[in-house]
Amino acid sequence: EVQLVESGGGVVQPGGSLRLSCAASGFTFEDFAMHWVRRAPGRGLEWVSLISGDGGSAYYADSMKGRFTISRDNSKNSLYLQMNSLRSEDTAFYYCAKGGRSGYYSNYLDYWGQGSLVTVSS
Amino acid sequence: DIVMTQSPDSLAVSLGERATINCKSSQSLLTSSNNKNFLAWYQQKPGQPPKLLIYWASTRDSGVPDRFSGSGSGTDFTLTISSLQAEDVAVYYCQQYYATPPTFGQGTKLEIK
Repeated sequence: EVQLVESGGGVVQPGGSLRLSCAASGFTFEDFAMHWVRRAPGRGLEWVSLISGDGGSAYYADSMKGRFTISRDNSKNSLYLQMNSLRSEDTAFYYCAKGGRSGYYSNYLDYWGQGSLVTVSS
Repeated sequence: DIVMTQSPDSLAVSLGERATINCKSSQSLLTSSNNKNFLAWYQQKPGQPPKLLIYWASTRDSGVPDRFSGSGSGTDFTLTISSLQAEDVAVYYCQQYYATPPTFGQGTKLEIK
C-alpha cells in the first residue's frame, strides 16, 4: 500500500524558514518523480515543485523560484521542501504527491499525503 | 504555462441528478504520438487531500465509482457525475500534465441542491 506522510509544518514568522519532509513507502521511490502541491485557505490547488526520480532535475512555480528548494534522499525514501523567505501568502496546506507514471516529470498525481499546515504569521 | 479554466465556479445539483463540470485548456493537451489527452480530474472533500478520479481524460482510477466519467479532447473536457450522491460533495479540479509545469484549474465547488 502506497503511503505518503508529511511532517515539519508549523507557525513561522514572515521572512522565516521551514523544512517539510515526506516519508514514502509502498512503491519503488527512485522510479517516480515527486511533487509538492499546496492549497491556501479559500483558494484552489497550486502546484509548487517537482523533482525527478534520481533527484537530478527540479522545477518550481514562478512564485517559489529562489525561495523554495526541493530535494530527495532515495536511500531514505524521503522527499523534502526547504522554504525560505516565507510570506503570509505562503500560508497553506502542503501536500506531497507521487507522479503516476514512472520516469516522467509532468504527471497526473495518483497518491497524496494528508498534508502539512504551514502558517506564516507574526 | 498552460492555463486551465473551469466552469462553473460552483454548482448545486439535486441528489440523483447529473452534474457536469467543464475544463478548458489554453492549448491542446492531445499528443499525436499516442492519441492521448494529458488531462486529469481530482476530487477534494473538506479536510481531506485531493483524490485522483480520472487520468488520460477518460480513464477512471482504481476504485472510482462508474458514475464518474470524463470526456473531451484537445482543449475542452468534461467531468460528469451521472447520479449525484451525498458523498460527492467536494471541490473538483482538472489538471494538465502535457507540459511542465503541471497546472490546475481554479476548482468547481459541488453542493447538493
